[in-house]
Amino acid sequence: KAGVTQTPRYLIKTRGQQVTLSCSPISGHRSVSWYQQTPGQGLQFLFEYFSETQRNKGNFPGRFSGRQFSNSRSEMNVSTLELGDSALYLCASSLGEGWTEAFFGQGTRLTVV
Amino acid sequence: QKEVEQNSGPLSVPEGAIASLNCTYSDRGSQSFFWYRQYSGKSPELIMFIYSNGDKEDGRFTAQLNKASQYVSLLIRDSQPSDSATYLCAVNAKQAGTALIFGKGTTLSVSS
Repeated sequence: KAGVTQTPRYLIKTRGQQVTLSCSPISGHRSVSWYQQTPGQGLQFLFEYFSETQRNKGNFPGRFSGRQFSNSRSEMNVSTLELGDSALYLCASSLGEGWTEAFFGQGTRLTVV
Repeated sequence: QKEVEQNSGPLSVPEGAIASLNCTYSDRGSQSFFWYRQYSGKSPELIMFIYSNGDKEDGRFTAQLNKASQYVSLLIRDSQPSDSATYLCAVNAKQAGTALIFGKGTTLSVSS
């Protein structure tokens, strides 16, 4: 059974640009969550999508947004990139019903220069 | 502010010993608790989850939950050098879904 797939694995962007990251969940999983991991702040929850609707949202500025498609694949977008957005962005997939276990993809390493 | 606290370590144990990793959380409404292992440069890997008070065992791993004390722990028996990693405690902060609040992690080093 294929795991969670994130693309691209690495990105280098310039301040002010925008970026879109993609996540394909495990087959049959309807929930996709996004996290940002930095050495200083650790893993922080961005948002969760379930059945194409944002179900939960973390404490990040509006520059961070996401969406989910009917096949459960999800994208997150960061606009007007700042140096502080450099991080590992992780996507987690879960069945989505009740309290279910989440499985992470390999992540996208974003560097903003 | 809902928080999950872990001792950052490093926690150093000899091969074959028991490693004990601890985590406290602030939100009394938390319902589900997870332990992830993260090797350097890799993504977190789910190793244990627990929903009810008490102990849950899976191979060499035992998760312990005490909701009254808002405390969850992970025991690793017969520690191996391959267990050397950062262990992340995560708590589900919502009634449903996977909005996980993570601790900063405890680095475990197992020496042979």
